[in-house]
Amino acid sequence: KAGVTQTPRYLIKTRGQQVTLSCSPISGHRSVSWYQQTPGQGLQFLFEYFSETQRNKGNFPGRFSGRQFSNSRSEMNVSTLELGDSALYLCASSLVETRDYNEQFFGPGTRLTVL
Amino acid sequence: AQKVTQAQTEISVVEKEDVTLDCVYETRDTTYYLFWYKQPPSGELVFLIRRNSFDEQNEISGRYSWNFQKSTSSFNFTITASQVVDSAVYFCALSPWGGGGSYIPTFGRGTSLIVHP
Repeated sequence: KAGVTQTPRYLIKTRGQQVTLSCSPISGHRSVSWYQQTPGQGLQFLFEYFSETQRNKGNFPGRFSGRQFSNSRSEMNVSTLELGDSALYLCASSLVETRDYNEQFFGPGTRLTVL
Repeated sequence: AQKVTQAQTEISVVEKEDVTLDCVYETRDTTYYLFWYKQPPSGELVFLIRRNSFDEQNEISGRYSWNFQKSTSSFNFTITASQVVDSAVYFCALSPWGGGGSYIPTFGRGTSLIVHP
């Protein structure tokens, strides 16, 4: 079974631009979560999507948004990029077959550099 | 508010040494999850273990073991007979039990483990 894939793997943007990152979950997984990892703030939860709805959200400004499609693929968008948005963005998917915790499987990440 | 503290920023050991990674957490929730993840140089996080707050049994998996002590709010991770392949950044995380299979983790800052041959 293929793992979680993220595209692109590397991205360079300039301040003020916007960017869209894509995540394809493991086949059959219905939940997709996004995380930001920076040297300054560490690893932080952005949001989680389940059945095309945002189910949980971390403490990030509205410039960060996402969506999930009917095939469970997810995109996250960052508008009006700032230098501080330079980070590794990780996506994780889970099966969600029980009401208890469902293990998350992570993708390799997208490394975003904002100049 | 939740908080996870991994006081050890970096640990350097020689192969075959035992090493313990510390994790101390703060939460007001009565039901929560604790996790350990491994992040190798390739970048993706690898799940190692989950522990429910109501299950204080220690766990051993091969060379890995975890000690959960609710009384001290600690969830420490020990690698026995470390190997070079164990070199990675290890994260401890905490999440309230949200039900419905969802969770919102708070991560520690990570401990970089370097195992020298």
